[in-house]
Amino acid sequence: NAGVMQNPRHLVRRRGQEARLRCSPMKGHSHVYWYRQLPEEGLKFMVYLQKENIIDESGMPKERFSAEFPKEGPSILRIQQVVRGDSAAYFCASSPPGFGQETQYFGPGTRLLVL
Amino acid sequence: GNSVTQMEGPVTLSEEAFLTINCTYTATGYPSLFWYVQYPGEGLQLLLKATKADDKGSNKGFEATYRKETTSFHLEKGSVQVSDSAVYFCALSGTTGNEKLTFGTGTRLTIIP
Repeated sequence: NAGVMQNPRHLVRRRGQEARLRCSPMKGHSHVYWYRQLPEEGLKFMVYLQKENIIDESGMPKERFSAEFPKEGPSILRIQQVVRGDSAAYFCASSPPGFGQETQYFGPGTRLLVL
Repeated sequence: GNSVTQMEGPVTLSEEAFLTINCTYTATGYPSLFWYVQYPGEGLQLLLKATKADDKGSNKGFEATYRKETTSFHLEKGSVQVSDSAVYFCALSGTTGNEKLTFGTGTRLTIIP
């Protein structure tokens, strides 16, 4: 069973460009989470999605950031008009459906560098 | 809201030394508690977890016990190896399932041969 997949692993953008980060959850997982890790810091929650629904976006910046998890295909985290402060590692995690406290499994991350 | 306070690093130990990384938390209800490990340039890997008070999570020689009375989940290992060098994160999840993780700031551990 393949793990959580993220691509690209590294992404370089110039200020003002758009960044698109993709996440394919583990097979059978219908819950996706996005986290951001700034240099030398812990991970901060951004958004929690289920298929075609945003469940919790309390950690998402109000502007320029958006996320989706369509019925088919990977989850996408989109950052418009990137700024240098967006440089970070972005991690996706997935978990199976359920009513308990399911473990989240993390992907290898996308390291975004904004020049 | 939920929060996790983790022992500041970096921590440097000699091989075969005893390891403790402290973690305390603030949360409502009964969260699940986790330790994740991050090796250089990689994502987070689940090391161990505990879902209720007095549970002990263990894996690869690491242990942590969910102590509700002290709101703690300290990570321990009796004899560390060079391969244990990594960043360790303590985290908690909400009490209703499938909720966001709240992480500590991480502790960088370096083991010297």
